[in-house]
Amino acid sequence: EAGVAQSPRYKIIEKRQSVAFWCNPISGHATLYWYQQILGQGPKLLIQFQNNGVVDDSQLPKDRFSAERLKGVDSTLKIQPAKLEDSAVYLCASILGPSGTEAFFGQGTRLTVV
Amino acid sequence: GQQLNQSPQSMFIQEGEDVSMNCTSSSIFNTWLWYKQDPGEGPVLLIALYKAGELTSNGRLTAQFGITRKDSFLNISASIPSDVGIYFCAGQPSGVNDMRFGAGTRLTVKP
Repeated sequence: EAGVAQSPRYKIIEKRQSVAFWCNPISGHATLYWYQQILGQGPKLLIQFQNNGVVDDSQLPKDRFSAERLKGVDSTLKIQPAKLEDSAVYLCASILGPSGTEAFFGQGTRLTVV
Repeated sequence: GQQLNQSPQSMFIQEGEDVSMNCTSSSIFNTWLWYKQDPGEGPVLLIALYKAGELTSNGRLTAQFGITRKDSFLNISASIPSDVGIYFCAGQPSGVNDMRFGAGTRLTVKP
């Protein structure tokens, strides 16, 4: 079974630029999460999708962050414009069911904003 | 924000020693999970707990879901160098349909 795929692995951008991350969850997994992990901290939930609908985006900074999962499969997370404090690893995770919690994570995208 | 208090923050142990770490919360959790994260990788699930009082083992790892549903611990027996990494507790708070993470315990094993 293929795991959660994320790209790119690394990205360096200047502040005020835009960036997008892509995630392809495990086949058949209905629930998809995006997490932000700042160095030295645990992952912090940004947004949760169930199929193509948003379940929880209460912690997503909507003035600059957006995410979509149009066909209920892969997802993109965008930051526009980026700030220095957005430097972090962005992790995507997927779960088979709507409320199951055995999440499988991708390797993450390490973003550096300079 | 984070609802989980994970301790200790870091541990330095000798190979062969046993390790214990725990996670507590002020609110009730429906699920407790323990993950390990290696540098440059995403977290990998070690153990999942779904019932209060549940005690589950995975090789040298043992975890328990506290009776009060507000805590969980993870034990590693006879540590080996490849146990090095950051261990995270995570859980699904009651009434919430997502997963929250602790700040992690960084484990160093000296040969």
